[in-house]
Amino acid sequence: KAGVTQTPRYLIKTRGQQVTLSCSPISGHRSVSWYQQTPGQGLQFLFEYFSETQRNKGNFPGRFSGRQFSNSRSEMNVSTLELGDSALYLCASSRDGEETQYFGPGTRLLVL
Amino acid sequence: QKEVEQDPGPLSVPEGAIVSLNCTYSNSAFQYFMWYRQYSRKGPELLMYTYSSGNKEDGRFTAQVDKSSKYISLFIRDSQPSDSATYLCAMSEGSGYSTLTFGKGTMLLVSP
Repeated sequence: KAGVTQTPRYLIKTRGQQVTLSCSPISGHRSVSWYQQTPGQGLQFLFEYFSETQRNKGNFPGRFSGRQFSNSRSEMNVSTLELGDSALYLCASSRDGEETQYFGPGTRLLVL
Repeated sequence: QKEVEQDPGPLSVPEGAIVSLNCTYSNSAFQYFMWYRQYSRKGPELLMYTYSSGNKEDGRFTAQVDKSSKYISLFIRDSQPSDSATYLCAMSEGSGYSTLTFGKGTMLLVSP
């Protein structure tokens, strides 16, 4: 069974630009969560989608947004990039009602 | 006080040693507890999953949860150099909304 896939794996952007990251969950998983991982803050929850609806949102500014498609694939967008947005962005999927989440390899974003 | 506290390490041990990794938490509503292993530049990989208090064993790994003390542990027996990674504890309230709260991770180094 294929795992969670994320594209692209690496990105370099400059301040003020915007970026879109993509995530394909494990087949049959309809819940997709996004996390930001930095050395200083660790893994922080961004948002969670289920059936194309955002069910939960972490404490991040409105520049961070996401969506989910009918095939459960998800995208997250960061607008007006700041240097502090440099991080590993991780996507995780789970079956509805299950607490365990399975992570993708992440997208490493560097903002210059 | 952070919701989940985890010693960042690094924890250095010789091959074959028994390793103990721990997390404390403050939210008494947490019911589901997980341990993830993360190799450098990779996404977290689910190792162990337990519900409520008690022990769970899987091969060389044993997870313990003491809800009365708000303390969870992961033991690794006969540690191997391939166990060198960062270990993240994660927990959730079990609301069905799949939101995990992570510790910052403990870096483990197992020397041959």
